[in-house]
Amino acid sequence: EAQVTQNPRYLITVTGKKLTVTCSQNMNHEYMSWYRQDPGLGLRQIYYSMNVEVTDKGDVPEGYKVSRKEKRNFPLILESPSPNQTSLYFCASSFGGMVNTEAFFGQGTRLTVV
Amino acid sequence: AQKITQTQPGMFVQEKEAVTLDCTYDTSDQSYGLFWYKQPSSGEMIFLIYQGSYDEQNATEGRYSLNFQKARKSANLVISASQLGDSAMYFCAMREAYNDYKLSFGAGTTVTVRA
Repeated sequence: EAQVTQNPRYLITVTGKKLTVTCSQNMNHEYMSWYRQDPGLGLRQIYYSMNVEVTDKGDVPEGYKVSRKEKRNFPLILESPSPNQTSLYFCASSFGGMVNTEAFFGQGTRLTVV
Repeated sequence: AQKITQTQPGMFVQEKEAVTLDCTYDTSDQSYGLFWYKQPSSGEMIFLIYQGSYDEQNATEGRYSLNFQKARKSANLVISASQLGDSAMYFCAMREAYNDYKLSFGAGTTVTVRA
């Protein structure tokens, strides 16, 4: 089954404690992205990757890191989480180079930083 | 500037009636795609329908149709014969050719279907 898998689904952590949210896709997609969803703001892109070892900042990259060492995996790293990073996070993947390419989303990770 | 504007934060609709969700967009790109996603209370993002900027016909997928008015830069979603399971948040999104690595989303519209 074609899917994007994120883990964990729910996470409560304390300020400053490093965490990683994993994302894996099995569709051989070139493009992968991380989005955060906040009320009234919709989804905003944090980071994206167009292929292995090619990553770049999205609209709201501050406080986040990513890596793309393998095509299927795109982890999101919060080195020192703060309460303003409490949000719902989505990983998404798609084929690249076309406007009509559907983005497949993971199930979401609800992160609370206290 | 906001790329996607959804002006209806929340809507109520009676079961079996149709509902229209508004979406306007802003782009200078000639080639772009418009998407609608559904997010039920469980949180996942479900793709509903797609419209390309060069498509001459409005897209339809079952009970979903997209009212695409290119000159007005609007891409409204119409859900016909609403069902209780249609209660969800709906997002309009756009992918532009010059930055095809990204979907730009609106703020979303919450639809509540009443029995």
